[in-house]
This record gives sequence, C-alpha cells and structure tokens, in this order.
Amino acid sequence: QQQVKQSPQSLIVQKGGISIINCAYENTAFDYFPWYQQFPGKGPALLIAIRPDVSEKKEGRFTISFNKSAKQFSLHIMDSQPGDSATYFCAASKGSSNTGKLIFGQGTTLQVKP
Amino acid sequence: GAGVSQSPRYKVAKRGQDVALRCDPISGHVSLFWYQQALGQGPEFLTYFQNEAQLDKSGLPSDRFFAERPEGSVSTLKIQRTQQEDSAVYLCASSLQGGSYTFGSGTRLTVV
Repeated sequence: QQQVKQSPQSLIVQKGGISIINCAYENTAFDYFPWYQQFPGKGPALLIAIRPDVSEKKEGRFTISFNKSAKQFSLHIMDSQPGDSATYFCAASKGSSNTGKLIFGQGTTLQVKP
Repeated sequence: GAGVSQSPRYKVAKRGQDVALRCDPISGHVSLFWYQQALGQGPEFLTYFQNEAQLDKSGLPSDRFFAERPEGSVSTLKIQRTQQEDSAVYLCASSLQGGSYTFGSGTRLTVV
C-alpha cells in the first residue's frame, strides 16, 4: 500500500521558471512532511519541512504548500536553476522527526534547462 | 566525522553470499536508521536504533536481514544468503534527539 503518492514522475523546466511537485498522503496520523533533494550517488538531503498546523512555509526559493483537508502538499521551486536538477522526494511520518520512520514518495526527477 | 559515513560504497556479491554493510553515524547522534532504495524508487524504511536498542525492525524484508549497533555508535546491516532482489542502495541516516535526519551516501549492493 503506497501511503504517499508523488507526481509527476519527471519534470522539465526552463531556467527561471517555477517547478511544482505534488504529493498526497492517506494516513491522517502523519504530522511531519519533509522534502528531500537527492543528487546521483548521494544520499537524500533535507530541503524543507512542514507540520500540519501551518498552510505554507517558505525558505529562500523553496516553498511548501499544505492542504490538510485534501491531504495534499506540494513543493514549489521559484526561479529554478540548472543546479536544482536532481531527484526530489516528499515524505511523511508520525511523531517527531527523529523517532518516526519516514514514508517516502516515489520521487520526481527534475531537469532545469539553461 | 562531519557526516554519516558508509562503507563499502559499492559491493558486488554472488547470489547466496553473506554481506555486511557498515554505517558510522555523526558523533553523538542517538538515533540511527537504515533504508533500502531500489533503482528509481524512494527509500523504504528497514530498521531504527536509539543508542544500542533496536526499537523498530518492522521494515526488514526477511529473516535474512539483521542489523546491530552494539555500542550505540557504529551499526552494521548484515544480509545472509543474498538474492537478486536484494540489489539496491542501502542508506543509513542518523539524528540527534529531536533533530532531522542526515543521510549517508549509501552502499550500492549488486547481487549477481
């Protein structure tokens, strides 16, 4: 059972454009929603995370939008750069981040064209 | 060290061979996790340690998989009698109490 569904599978964006990746979850007990960025040959690195008591969180060019009633959240990358080309994973967990196992989405491969 | 270190980076095993994958977490990190990442997929949880105690091993796919962290720092993931379906990247992550994960670069296991 896939508890976190991510789309699209791949995305091509022009430099300076906005990249949008969407995730939907099933388990209403989830209360921590991070996004990870992974480059080839490297482990995932935390980009930004949100808890369900807020609807939006922004850090630099990265914004998470959260819709609790729809059980959906999305990552927006503003002013996308070629260096942002990577695979992005949404995830969800119950409880605090260090004790809750993360359930990851399937990943989105982003290519930003110069 | 500065990050989570995993060794070896690459491992080729013949089917039926036993393998051991090592994880050196960031010094002082209480929590340690193992994940399995198949090609083109998201990581999937295997097991979780808090210090030396294995608190959750619900993700281990079979009794051929075994993990330990005897002194609460270095951890080893052992796979016995490897099968082709075990081919994946095995990721280790560690965190401080209440902190977010830091992942290592993983060990890519190929079973031939």
